[in-house]
Amino acid sequence: DTGVSQDPRHKITKRGQNVTFRCDPISEHNRLYWYRQTLGQGPEFLTYFQNEAQLEKSRLLSDRFSAERPKGSFSTLEIQRTEQGDSAMYLCASSSGRAAETQYFGPGTRLLVL
Amino acid sequence: GENVEQHPSTLSVQEGDSAVIKCTYSDSASNYFPWYKQELGKRPQLIIDIRSNVGEKKDQRIAVTLNKTAKHFSLHITETQPEDSAVYFCAPSGAGSYQLTFGKGTKLSVIP
Repeated sequence: DTGVSQDPRHKITKRGQNVTFRCDPISEHNRLYWYRQTLGQGPEFLTYFQNEAQLEKSRLLSDRFSAERPKGSFSTLEIQRTEQGDSAMYLCASSSGRAAETQYFGPGTRLLVL
Repeated sequence: GENVEQHPSTLSVQEGDSAVIKCTYSDSASNYFPWYKQELGKRPQLIIDIRSNVGEKKDQRIAVTLNKTAKHFSLHITETQPEDSAVYFCAPSGAGSYQLTFGKGTKLSVIP
């Protein structure tokens, strides 16, 4: 499968714990995006990388959230001191330089904070 | 920031009928207009997109029309089938920013 992949697909954690998610974009896609989707809503933009540079961050991305893309390939999203309000689907998407706006989504990581 | 509204929020049609979903946006600098389909528990899938230098685009039973003056674009599905049942999102993107701003979605039900 050459699409966007995410790991894990599901994560259950207790409030206050740290969690980390991984996204592997489509090969050679230089742009990578993170979105969050809660039940019954559309995805909301969190942050975006071009290669290893983080170029945009939403106000939704509090200081408990950090994202990295150290070698311009896969990316990680870490949430520290999780809260129940962090429960959501975390979606990753990627796009290429030639059609930068055309984003392809991964299957998402569903997070449940108890 | 961009404000995006979709109408209707739910839509039920008989199999074989047409469905139209409208998306209104606020940022006149928006220049990319995609539609995504999301089935329950699945990832959003791009079904059609249009750029601001084009007024209409068609792909088999699916079409998108753009009215930049009025700042809206619409998804048209003809000859609907039960497998078209899903939530559809518009997600315009502005000039200089690659982030997509999603609408709240339209739940389409196609009744056999």
